[in-house]
Amino acid sequence: NAGVTQTPKFQVLKTGQSMTLQCAQDMNHNSMYWYRQDPGMGLRLIYYSASEGTTDKGEVPNGYNVSRLNKREFSLRLESAAPSQTSVYFCASSTGTRAGELFFGEGSRLTVL
Amino acid sequence: AQSVTQPDIHITVSEGASLELRCNYSYGATPYLFWYVQSPGQGLQLLLKYFSGDTLVQGIKGFEAEFKRSQSSFNLRKPSVHWSDAAEYFCAADFILTGGGNKLTFGTGTQLKVEL
Repeated sequence: NAGVTQTPKFQVLKTGQSMTLQCAQDMNHNSMYWYRQDPGMGLRLIYYSASEGTTDKGEVPNGYNVSRLNKREFSLRLESAAPSQTSVYFCASSTGTRAGELFFGEGSRLTVL
Repeated sequence: AQSVTQPDIHITVSEGASLELRCNYSYGATPYLFWYVQSPGQGLQLLLKYFSGDTLVQGIKGFEAEFKRSQSSFNLRKPSVHWSDAAEYFCAADFILTGGGNKLTFGTGTQLKVEL
């Protein structure tokens, strides 16, 4: 029962470095999401993909790019990491309907020095 | 603008005591409403959801929530808390946007501590 799998779980970067967070789901879900979680701010949507082949900006897209590689995989890229991007990142997937439950990965903790 | 408010950042209860976590939303209509739980080091898991109909909804792990339209609230309750319920709880609402589409908005979370 893999569900939503994120890699890596932990990463430390220096300012200006780039990296990609990988996410894969095995539930045949249409929609996938990237959130960041910061203390006292809840979860904020970075980007989402309503269906394979589409991506859209969420609340806080600046400094990030995404790729929906296929129906299973949705990656998040930081081209030039900044300390403000230190956060815990969560990938999630859903069937895509309003009533659809979000299924979350276990998170990726990123520290930018 | 649409918003979800969880007024309590931290709550501490004794094991066996009852629990109520508050959630209010700001919106011109009734959104779809959800409660999620996050255990330490884990992602979020759905506890329950409300779309329409019976205003008292049952979820997993013995939780329930009551929707009150007049108060724009969707409070989470549990009659008797177990030590394993210690976690962070997030209320979320799915709003229909005036320009089309919908948006899922999370509250800032309530951290629950359970004293033995």
